[in-house]
Amino acid sequence: AQSVTQLGSHVSVSEGALVLLRCNYSSSVPPYLFWYVQYPNQGLQLLLKYTTGATLVKGINGFEAEFKKSETSFHLTKPSAHMSDAAEYFCAVSDRGFQKLVFGTGTRLLVSP
Amino acid sequence: NAGVTQTPKFQVLKTGQSMTLQCAQDMNHNSMYWYRQDPGMGLRLIYYSASEGTTDKGEVPNGYNVSRLNKREFSLRLESAAPSQTSVYFCASSEAVVQGTDTQYFGPGTRLTVL
Repeated sequence: AQSVTQLGSHVSVSEGALVLLRCNYSSSVPPYLFWYVQYPNQGLQLLLKYTTGATLVKGINGFEAEFKKSETSFHLTKPSAHMSDAAEYFCAVSDRGFQKLVFGTGTRLLVSP
Repeated sequence: NAGVTQTPKFQVLKTGQSMTLQCAQDMNHNSMYWYRQDPGMGLRLIYYSASEGTTDKGEVPNGYNVSRLNKREFSLRLESAAPSQTSVYFCASSEAVVQGTDTQYFGPGTRLTVL
């Protein structure tokens, strides 16, 4: 069965610093991979996803992620953090041919002035 | 477009009481989902409906039932609430054009406390 592991339940950065949130997946077949963001007291919304094609995926709000099959990773990055990026970020995986997403446990991003 | 709506936003129940969480989407999506979110555990799938007229169990279905009332609506019922069901519940929907690749759109959540 597929699964994802997010390293670090909390990540703290200063405004303007690089954001790096880690996600590793386990899947028996090449997966589809997603990053979702949850702002306080809201539902989740899609940041970006990898399905096929280019392994570097660009999403909303300046975020991007790179699918690395050899490392089974899909880390999320942003060159310069803004205060408005403070939220919880979830990596998720689905197997090809299935509707169901399996979510990681989430990483809370804290941004300080 | 309201997207995915959920009612109620908050609910407090006593152990053994029953209730139904309502979810509706106005995006003409085929698939709908119910998740629960607990601290440190991410989101876990309770039930899903791949298309109107079908429902299937997810990772944590025990203690819950669902009804896909029509293409728009997907309800979650707790027949006899237990404190372990204290959680935040999210409904989501997706178009399901190509299986596995779809973006899921989430509602704002229902915060349920069972005393």
